[in-house]
Amino acid sequence: GEDVEQSLFLSVREGDSSVINCTYTDSSSTYLYWYKQEPGAGLQLLTYIFSNMDMKQDQRLTVLLNKKDKHLSLRIADTQTGDSAIYFCAESISGGYQKVTFGTGTKLQVIP
Amino acid sequence: KAGVTQTPRYLIKTRGQQVTLSCSPISGHRSVSWYQQTPGQGLQFLFEYFSETQRNKGNFPGRFSGRQFSNSRSEMNVSTLELGDSALYLCASSHPTTYEQYFGPGTRLTVT
Repeated sequence: GEDVEQSLFLSVREGDSSVINCTYTDSSSTYLYWYKQEPGAGLQLLTYIFSNMDMKQDQRLTVLLNKKDKHLSLRIADTQTGDSAIYFCAESISGGYQKVTFGTGTKLQVIP
Repeated sequence: KAGVTQTPRYLIKTRGQQVTLSCSPISGHRSVSWYQQTPGQGLQFLFEYFSETQRNKGNFPGRFSGRQFSNSRSEMNVSTLELGDSALYLCASSHPTTYEQYFGPGTRLTVT
């Protein structure tokens, strides 16, 4: 079955880069997502990558995918205090059937 | 374009009662998914509807049910509420071609 794992906590200084890691087990995962959740709010889709891609960059965000190791990472450049939130990695096998499996979430704390 | 809306935002119910939550997807999105978020279990997939049909279902008891209307609006119902049903219930709608999921703010259900 599907399983997605993340470390629970990450602390970085403002201005530094943050790297949040994720591993998944289902090799048939097609879509891999990163979501952000701020306190009391729903989930905000940050970015996603198809399984046939190695990297995707979107402004301060860089997603790296190592399909062989089933490892996904999200790098946030120049981390700001507004980036403090919980970040969820998620995967789905088929974009047309939206059964998305989420990781446990990584709480990012940005120290001013 | 309006985002995903969920009503009500907060709800307090008593054990044994039933509850109905509502979700209005983004205009043009026909797929609606429901998730339960708790501190202990994280984000868990409940079910997904597309064109008024349930396409996918997670591992929840039959007390959890849903439906979708012809305008793509969706409702979920939980009968015979238990204390463990206290959670944030999130609804998401999917873009018809990119399959990006957009989440609503959630309904916070407290069962006493």
